[in-house]
Amino acid sequence: GAGVSQSPSNKVTEKGKDVELRCDPISGHTALYWYRQRLGQGLEFLIYFQGNSAPDKSGLPSDRFSAERTGESVSTLTIQRTQQEDSAVYLCASSLAGAMGTDTQYFGPGTRLTVL
Amino acid sequence: GQNIDQPTEMTATEGAIVQINCTYQTSGFNGLFWYQQHAGEAPTFLSYNVLDGLEEKGRFSSFLSRSKGYSYLLLKELQMKDSASYLCAVLDSNYQLIWGAGTKLIIKP
Repeated sequence: GAGVSQSPSNKVTEKGKDVELRCDPISGHTALYWYRQRLGQGLEFLIYFQGNSAPDKSGLPSDRFSAERTGESVSTLTIQRTQQEDSAVYLCASSLAGAMGTDTQYFGPGTRLTVL
Repeated sequence: GQNIDQPTEMTATEGAIVQINCTYQTSGFNGLFWYQQHAGEAPTFLSYNVLDGLEEKGRFSSFLSRSKGYSYLLLKELQMKDSASYLCAVLDSNYQLIWGAGTKLIIKP
């Protein structure tokens, strides 16, 4: 399809395990964003990619979180040694712009992570 | 600090008009977005304002006053499918998007 896709759609894991979340942005979009949304709360910015580099990592909540992007396309968000407070929906968005600017961000359907 | 305020929840009747307000205090301003988010789904783009005034798009309109740090989203001829959360987000001077917590809109028949 033409939209942003994410996988898996749902992930249940045990505390202490590592998880990997994937995002496929819209083809040609140079900017890619990761957000976290806890139940009933607003969006929490995690990280932003411009091409394959991440000029803004300020939102990553701890060193257990890391992200990479390759080929100016697919991005992976990795959470190591998951904790229960990591349970949330992780949303990916992409935009056409070459900077975190005023272009519309198009969101993927999200990955619902549950840490038991 | 940076802050986006919007009501937590609003209720309106099918066919009516509702206005969802958003006030912001941010370090700089480079535009304001409104997104719609249905329960369990990702946000979808509704509007973007960077100049003062009203932008109309079908049943939805968005208004901005930069001097007042204020925006509203106006939804007309409400339909049941408009039941959703409406997220206000502001681009600050560093072009970082600051998100409000969202307003849950409940539409009653």
